[in-house]
Amino acid sequence: KAGVTQTPRYLIKTRGQQVTLSCSPISGHRSVSWYQQTPGQGLQFLFEYFSETQRNKGNFPGRFSGRQFSNSRSEMNVSTLELGDSALYLCASSLGQGGGYTFGSGTRLTVV
Amino acid sequence: GENVEQHPSTLSVQEGDSAVIKCTYSDSASNYFPWYKQELGKRPQLIIDIRSNVGEKKDQRIAVTLNKTAKHFSLHITETQPEDSAVYFCAATTLNTGTASKLTFGTGTRLQVTL
Repeated sequence: KAGVTQTPRYLIKTRGQQVTLSCSPISGHRSVSWYQQTPGQGLQFLFEYFSETQRNKGNFPGRFSGRQFSNSRSEMNVSTLELGDSALYLCASSLGQGGGYTFGSGTRLTVV
Repeated sequence: GENVEQHPSTLSVQEGDSAVIKCTYSDSASNYFPWYKQELGKRPQLIIDIRSNVGEKKDQRIAVTLNKTAKHFSLHITETQPEDSAVYFCAATTLNTGTASKLTFGTGTRLQVTL
């Protein structure tokens, strides 16, 4: 059974640009959530999708957005990148009702 | 919203000793408490979890205890080995059937097991 797949693994962008990250959950998992991990702030919740609907949103500016497709794959978009957006972005999938969140390997975004 | 505090931030133990990491949560509605281990450069991996209807759960050398009244839960690792060295995160959330939930994480504990 394939795990959670995130692409790309690494990304370097310039301030002001935008970026789209992708997450393919474990087959059968309908919930996908996104987290930002930085040395200073730890793991911060961005948002979560369940059956194509955003159910929860963290305290991030509107530059951070996401969506989920009918096959449960999810994308996260960050517009007008800032240096402080440099982080490891992790997604996690679960069945949505039983816990057991499984993380992907993450996308390491560097903004220069 | 939920707030999770985790202590200590760093922990150094000798191989074979026990390690204990403690977390407290603020939302009494939280009912699911997973623990994740993250090795350097790798993804967080679920190592054990506990639900609010039980007070203790054990899996080989790892155990988790939950005190709902005090709103705290702890991870216990016995007979530590060098491969236990990693950052450990506790988390809390409220699981509702058919709905999504978000994990609120503690700030992490860097465990170092020395020979």
